[in-house]
Amino acid sequence: QVTLKESGPVLVKPTETLTLTCLVSGFSLSNARMGVSWIRQPPGKALEWLAHIFSNDEKSYNTSLKSRLTISKDTSKSQVVLTMTNVDPVDTATYYCARMFSNNYVPDFFDYWGQGTLVTVSS
Amino acid sequence: SYELTQPPSVSVTPGQTARITCSGERLERKNVAWYQQKPGQSPVLVIYYDNKRPSKIPEQFSGSNSGGTASLTISWTQDMDEAEYFCQAWDTSTASVIFGRGTKLTVL
Repeated sequence: QVTLKESGPVLVKPTETLTLTCLVSGFSLSNARMGVSWIRQPPGKALEWLAHIFSNDEKSYNTSLKSRLTISKDTSKSQVVLTMTNVDPVDTATYYCARMFSNNYVPDFFDYWGQGTLVTVSS
Repeated sequence: SYELTQPPSVSVTPGQTARITCSGERLERKNVAWYQQKPGQSPVLVIYYDNKRPSKIPEQFSGSNSGGTASLTISWTQDMDEAEYFCQAWDTSTASVIFGRGTKLTVL
């Protein structure tokens, strides 16, 4: 059974660094066809892709947020971590991690999603 | 940057067919996926590779992709199909996942 579960702070102050962890089970982060992305959704708004990490540890980032984001993984712990620096109230959102199925290292679709974690940025 | 355009809303009466579109430059050359999201829930994959259905998704959901427009078709629409629907593709040129802004399907 594949599951993903996000964890992290509920409340973060502006200018601080946000660190989120995604614990996966039911598959290995070293599986060549699997990668993990972070996606966020401000209240009442659309999904916004943030970053992706491939099984071979290559990373891709949303170009508009790239300078603030770092994605990494620990395969032995089945964890994917996202850090976002210098947060602002506009970063208030539900943050999801999701498994992405890839064919020949071309990411295709998200077949499993975590439940999401709501992060509020406020002083 | 690459964009996927969806209509903000679509309305349908129960039992009728709903069609939600997603347009983008040369979209027919990309693999398109569709997600259903109900209030307070995580998105659920309903269509992948343009027209493939995951095993747990009912056959009333179908998809197509040609001429720059991908479509999600929901046949025999029911109240439980009322949700937000997002299209998604991978943009090779920027190595980015792209989402449409979502379409709210209302079952009248």
